[in-house]
Amino acid sequence: EVQLLESGGGLVQPGGSLRLSCAASGFTFNSNAISWVRQTAGKGLEWISASSADGTGRYYADSVKGRFTISRDNSRNTVYLQMIGLRVEDTAVYYCARENGAYPRNWFDAWGQGTQVTVSS
Amino acid sequence: DIQMTQSPSTLSASVGDRVTITCRASQSISGWLAWYQQKPGKAPKLLIYDASSLQSGVPSRFSGSGSGTEFTLTISSLQPDDVATYYCHQHNHLHTFGLGTKVEI
Repeated sequence: EVQLLESGGGLVQPGGSLRLSCAASGFTFNSNAISWVRQTAGKGLEWISASSADGTGRYYADSVKGRFTISRDNSRNTVYLQMIGLRVEDTAVYYCARENGAYPRNWFDAWGQGTQVTVSS
Repeated sequence: DIQMTQSPSTLSASVGDRVTITCRASQSISGWLAWYQQKPGKAPKLLIYDASSLQSGVPSRFSGSGSGTEFTLTISSLQPDDVATYYCHQHNHLHTFGLGTKVEI
C-alpha cells in the first residue's frame, strides 16, 4: 500500500523556520516526483514545490521561491521542505503528494494526511 | 502561469441528479487535467486523470471530458457520499488547481 506521512509542522513566529518531512513507503520511491501542496483554512489547494524523482529537478511557486527549499533523500525514502522567512500567509495544512511519473508534469495519485503549519506571533 | 477557472463555486442538487462541474484553463493544456474529490478534514482523492480516465476504484458514475481549455466533471447520479469539494488540476506546466466546487445535497 502506498503511504505518505508528513511531519514537522507546528507553531512558529513570523520570520521563523521549519522543516517538513514526507516519509514514503509501499512503492519504488526513486521512480516518482513528489510535490508539496498546501491548503489554507477554508480555501483551495496551492501547489508550492516539486522534486523530480532523482532530486536534480526542483521547482517552486512564485509565492515561496527564495524562501522554501525542497530536497529528497532516496536512501531514506523521504522528501523535505525547508521553510525559512515564514509569513502569516504561509499558515496552512501542508500535504505531500506523489506524482504519477518521474518529473513534475503528472497527476497526483497519492497524498499524505497533511501537517499543519501555523505562523503567528 | 496557467490559471484554472472552475464553476460553479457551490452546487446544490438532489440525490439521483446529474451534476456537471466545469473547469476552464487560461491557455491550452491539451488533456493534462485531473479531478480530485476532497471531504472535510481529509486529503484530496484522485478521481479522473488525463481528462477522462477513471482512476481505479472510483465509481463509474464519475466521468470527465474535454481537451484544450474546456473540461467537465460529471456525476451521472448524485449520491449522498458524493458530498464534497471537487478540484480540477492542470499539470501541463507545473501545477495549478481550480478554486473548487462544493457539492451539497
